[in-house]
Amino acid sequence: AQRVTQVQPTGSSQWGEEVTLDCSYETSEYFYRIFWYRQLFSGEMVFLIYQPSFDTQNQRSGRYSVVFQKSFKSISLVISASQPEDSGTYFCALSELVTNTGKLTFGDGTVLTVKP
Amino acid sequence: EAAVTQSPRNKVAVTGGKVTLSCNQTNNHNNMYWYRQDTGHGLRLIHYSYGAGSTEKGDIPDGYKASRPSQENFSLILELATPSQTSVYFCASGEGLGASQNTLYFGAGTRLSVL
Repeated sequence: AQRVTQVQPTGSSQWGEEVTLDCSYETSEYFYRIFWYRQLFSGEMVFLIYQPSFDTQNQRSGRYSVVFQKSFKSISLVISASQPEDSGTYFCALSELVTNTGKLTFGDGTVLTVKP
Repeated sequence: EAAVTQSPRNKVAVTGGKVTLSCNQTNNHNNMYWYRQDTGHGLRLIHYSYGAGSTEKGDIPDGYKASRPSQENFSLILELATPSQTSVYFCASGEGLGASQNTLYFGAGTRLSVL
């Protein structure tokens, strides 16, 4: 069964600091992707980055990067040089590629506040 | 720019009434999804579709029906709305193949209150 856990319900940082948000997951599949989305205060869901399970290289996109620890079924989102505009709720989500329904299983999210 | 558009954005319904939430996508994606999000939680999958004419049950389909009459449109139907269905509903589209496989693009959400 798929399960995604985000143990930090909230997080905070100061402007310019690096922020790390943690996620763990459960899956019996070998091929999967882990996605990170940000939910704006308006409710809009914005795709940030994903990590394929078969890629040993940590993915990076702009100020976003991940630290992927496949053997621990753990992944962290790292936001460099955080800004107040980065505040919002961050969701980790799992997609199993073998079944390929395209279904995402979401964690409960981490609410990030970046202080000016 | 590709987009997923939901209507209405807000809806108040009465218990026992019928509610239809609509979703239109211009991404030309085969796959579409309906999720609900309850306060303080992540999104949970209700129904999804692989293309026009197809609907599949997600993780929490009870009390909901779905309809995919065309590539672009996907509706979620609550035949007999109940207060427990008060939530924010998100529609999403995605592609099952290629570099963007399973990356979902979401609409802005519909806030439904059932009184």
